[in-house]
Amino acid sequence: AAGVIQSPRHLIKEKRETATLKCYPIPRHDTVYWYQQGPGQDPQFLISFYEKMQSDKGSIPDRFSAQQFSDYHSELNMSSLELGDSALYFCASSQDRVNTEAFFGQGTRLTVV
Amino acid sequence: GNSVTQMEGPVTLSEEAFLTINCTYTATGYPSLFWYVQYPGEGLQLLLKATKADDKGSNKGFEATYRKETTSFHLEKGSVQVSDSAVYFCALSDFMDSNYQLIWGAGTKLIIKP
Repeated sequence: AAGVIQSPRHLIKEKRETATLKCYPIPRHDTVYWYQQGPGQDPQFLISFYEKMQSDKGSIPDRFSAQQFSDYHSELNMSSLELGDSALYFCASSQDRVNTEAFFGQGTRLTVV
Repeated sequence: GNSVTQMEGPVTLSEEAFLTINCTYTATGYPSLFWYVQYPGEGLQLLLKATKADDKGSNKGFEATYRKETTSFHLEKGSVQVSDSAVYFCALSDFMDSNYQLIWGAGTKLIIKP
């Protein structure tokens, strides 16, 4: 069965650089979520999209932005990277917004040096 | 507001021991409850879920029952294996302000020794 695809799997960037993470949800899933998981921490919700519109905003820094495109894939853009941005970034998708589980991608490990 | 509280880890058990990882929640609505598992070096995977009171979710020998009266969703397994070593996250989903939210517990690291 198709799963949530994230790319790249690993990314190394220098401080103050920009990174773009991509997420391809499961077909027919209309909701996408982005999470950040620091080392040894639980996932922190960043932002979500429903039907290509921003749905909810969590602890996403102003330096980050995201969007969902017409084909439902989503991109998380991160600018002016800081060392503290080093984390695992998960994308998840769900079929609708009512009591359904979120299916997670394998994550993108971002290392800022 | 909504919240999830899990027992603190790490939890260290011997192979074939009985496992319980406690999870309690607070919610204003009627949430669905989930257990996610994260194996070393991998992403989050849904382990099991329950969408209403008294539902029992089960998968791979793990079980959890949605207990509304005690606001709990404890994860249990009768006989753990080394391969069960992972971090387990309890989570709830609910609508708040017309938005779907997934609220996470802090995660419990499980270490199974042969």
